[in-house]
Order: sequence, then C-alpha cells, then structure tokens
Amino acid sequence: EAGVAQSPRYKIIEKRQSVAFWCNPISGHATLYWYQQILGQGPKLLIQFQNNGVVDDSQLPKDRFSAERLKGVDSTLKIQPAKLEDSAVYLCASSLGGAVWYGYTFGSGTRLTVV
Amino acid sequence: AQSVAQPEDQVNVAEGNPLTVKCTYSVSGNPYLFWYVQYPNRGLQFLLKYITGDNLVKGSYGFEAEFNKSQTSFHLKKPSALVSDSALYFCAVRSNFGNEKLTFGTGTRLTIIP
Repeated sequence: EAGVAQSPRYKIIEKRQSVAFWCNPISGHATLYWYQQILGQGPKLLIQFQNNGVVDDSQLPKDRFSAERLKGVDSTLKIQPAKLEDSAVYLCASSLGGAVWYGYTFGSGTRLTVV
Repeated sequence: AQSVAQPEDQVNVAEGNPLTVKCTYSVSGNPYLFWYVQYPNRGLQFLLKYITGDNLVKGSYGFEAEFNKSQTSFHLKKPSALVSDSALYFCAVRSNFGNEKLTFGTGTRLTIIP
C-alpha cells in the first residue's frame, strides 16, 4: 500500500512569513496526527484528527498554527507568522483508528528552516 | 499524563558487542510500547511494538525489546551490533484505552564503533 505522503520535503522561509504543509494519509485511515520534531528532541504531538474532527490540539500554538482536515482525508498545517523557534521537522502520521488498532504509519516529514 | 524517559542521550558500542538502549514509561491503564529508528534526513521507521502477550518482542533488523511491567521498562536490545545500526532511537507509549496518541521520549543516539 502507498505510505503517508507529505510535501514539500524542505522549506526555507524568513521569520514572520507564512508556510503550509500538506499530508495525504493512507487510504481509509481515520486518524491523522501532526507532530513537530525539533532537532535533537523527540516528536511532539501538535494535533490529532479523527476523520475531520479535532480530537486533541492541546499542544498546538493556536495563535500562529492552524490545521484542517477537510472531508476527513488530506490535511494541511499552516504557520502564520513563523518564528525562528518553529524550525523543525513536521511529521504526519495516520492510523486506522477504531476498536481494533493496527499501529501508526509516519510520513517522511517536512523540514522547515526559519531564518 | 503519559510520559517516556530515555535516560541516555548517547550510547557507544563496539561493533559485534551486544547493545541496550533504555526506556521507562508512565501511562494510565496498560501500555502499548514502541521503538522507532531515525536515520539522518529520514523519517521515523518502525522497529517493534509490544501490545500484549510475550514480554520479549522481536522486531526488524535483529532488534528485540523486553517489556517489564514491574519496572515500567521497555529496553531495546540486540545481541551483536552493526555499524549500520548507528542512528537515533525513540521509545514511545500510548495507553490501551482512550486517546490513541503516541508520546515519544527524547531519543538516544546510538553509535557503533568499528
């Protein structure tokens, strides 16, 4: 089966600019996650969707970050305006969800550099 | 709240020697435990998981991990290290009920010395 697709792979922007990342999960996976991985740290969950509804966004900096998952399939994560500390790899993952759980599949990530 | 501790930022092992990467966890309910590996400029790759059953779990590339409920640990092991095992390793946990989200540790950089 196809994996989790993310684009772009790399992005360099100046601080205060805006940026958007795209994720296409595995077909049929109801649950979608966005993680932020700062260099040298473990991934941190930003937001979790179940179909097109938000399950957990407690660690999403809502003053500058937003995410949506229209029609319960693809998702976009936006940062506006970006700060230097947003430099990180943004990972998207998906899982089947539901009562029987099969695990997660991660995309390759988008590496964001804010200068 | 669930959490994972990886007490060693860096582990160095000579090629051919056994390796251990440590992980302890805290979670409500029963844990689902995972190990992921990350090579430079690559995404997270799944190594192995413990859901239920045998405490010794075998995974990809000859790695295994032992679940110890009394010590709340899930250490990653390999009998004979290869230079190609050099990478960043992450332990992760989720609860067996409620939210499915994974919580990751801070990672351990494993370096295998030829």
